[in-house]
Amino acid sequence: NAGVTQTPKFRVLKTGQSMTLLCAQDMNHEYMYWYRQDPGMGLRLIHYSVGEGTTAKGEVPDGYNVSRLKKQNFLLGLESAAPSQTSVYFCASSYAGYRNQPQHFGDGTRLSIL
Amino acid sequence: ELKVEQNPLFLSMQEGKNYTIYCNYSTTSDRLYWYRQDPGKSLESLFVLLSNGAVKQEGRLMASLDTKARLSTLHITAAVHDLSATYFCAVTTQGGSEKLVFGKGTKLTVNP
Repeated sequence: NAGVTQTPKFRVLKTGQSMTLLCAQDMNHEYMYWYRQDPGMGLRLIHYSVGEGTTAKGEVPDGYNVSRLKKQNFLLGLESAAPSQTSVYFCASSYAGYRNQPQHFGDGTRLSIL
Repeated sequence: ELKVEQNPLFLSMQEGKNYTIYCNYSTTSDRLYWYRQDPGKSLESLFVLLSNGAVKQEGRLMASLDTKARLSTLHITAAVHDLSATYFCAVTTQGGSEKLVFGKGTKLTVNP
């Protein structure tokens, strides 16, 4: 069982370039999330999805777009990367309605924007 | 707006000592989570606390929840070096989407 898999693990971009981060989960979870982690800031929610075909904004959505065309995949896009988007990005997933179940996290994508 | 505060943010302690990490949150929530993160790694779930007075223990770690005070504690008993990590608390927002708001984390260093 792979759990939550993020691709790629590392990436360096130049300012203005675009890229897509992929998150795949094999636990049949309904909910999926994208967070960013910056030093001293904890994790902050970028976007989330409560089901296939649905997405919603989190706390820090500006500069990012997301799509969830399949239940198992959640894509995070940067259309025009900026140095302020240098961060570690984590994807997570969880069941709907199971109050005692935590979110499961991927290993993270370390993204540097030069 | 839900805010989550942890303290201390940095904690250096000796092996064998006891200490407590505090997590305060600003608005009503029905669930609180504790996670552990090792350097360069993902987040590992430690505890899920669902109700007022909930207490959970795993090894040298014990977590509790007081929903009336909007406070959770993570108590470390007889610390060992392997407990060195960053610990996060996170609280669910209302509305059913299971969104989490995280504290900034407590970086724990256990010295021999």
